[in-house]
Amino acid sequence: AQTVTQSQPEMSVQEAETVTLSCTYDTSESNYYLFWYKQPPSRQMILVIRQEAYKQQNATENRFSVNFQKAAKSFSLKISDSQLGDTAMYFCAFMKHGRYGGATNKLIFGTGTLLAVQP
Amino acid sequence: DSGVTQTPKHLITATGQRVTLRCSPRSGDLSVYWYQQSLDQGLQFLIHYYNGEERAKGNILERFSAQQFPDLHSELNLSSLELGDSALYFCASSVAPGSMYEQYFGPGTRLTVT
Repeated sequence: AQTVTQSQPEMSVQEAETVTLSCTYDTSESNYYLFWYKQPPSRQMILVIRQEAYKQQNATENRFSVNFQKAAKSFSLKISDSQLGDTAMYFCAFMKHGRYGGATNKLIFGTGTLLAVQP
Repeated sequence: DSGVTQTPKHLITATGQRVTLRCSPRSGDLSVYWYQQSLDQGLQFLIHYYNGEERAKGNILERFSAQQFPDLHSELNLSSLELGDSALYFCASSVAPGSMYEQYFGPGTRLTVT
């Protein structure tokens, strides 16, 4: 079974600074996908960034980037130029690749990291 | 706005009652997933439907059931409610299984059982 571990329950960063959130996962699968979701106080789950395991290049979306280390099973999220609106719970999630008509693509979530951006 | 809608936003009911949560996926999405978010269990997968067919079950109680209708909207039915069923219930939609298409979440239904 796959597991996702986020070892930092809470983090704090000053506005405009850079912060890195950690995530490790355990799987015997070779083909899978990793995601970071953001959950602000509104409780909406918002997709931040995605990474395909077969791609060596780290994904980037504006101020958000990941450091994907497949051998180490590590998937950290870097937020640059932190903004007050980045204050949220961040969830790392794993999805096994499913063959068409076969396995489901359920998300397995970590326990989350609560990020507070301080003015 | 993800394009996924869920109703109602909030639901308060008593133990032993039955409720129905409704989800409309994004236009064109065939898959609907249901997740439960609670303080003690975190975010957990409940069930997955694809084009009207059940594809997978996760940690879903026997008191819970779901279905996906021909117009692709889905309903999650929770019966014989207990205090521990109080949680935020999300549905998410994606295009199809067997691909890497990400899941887009609705705003959730907050269920409070008193």
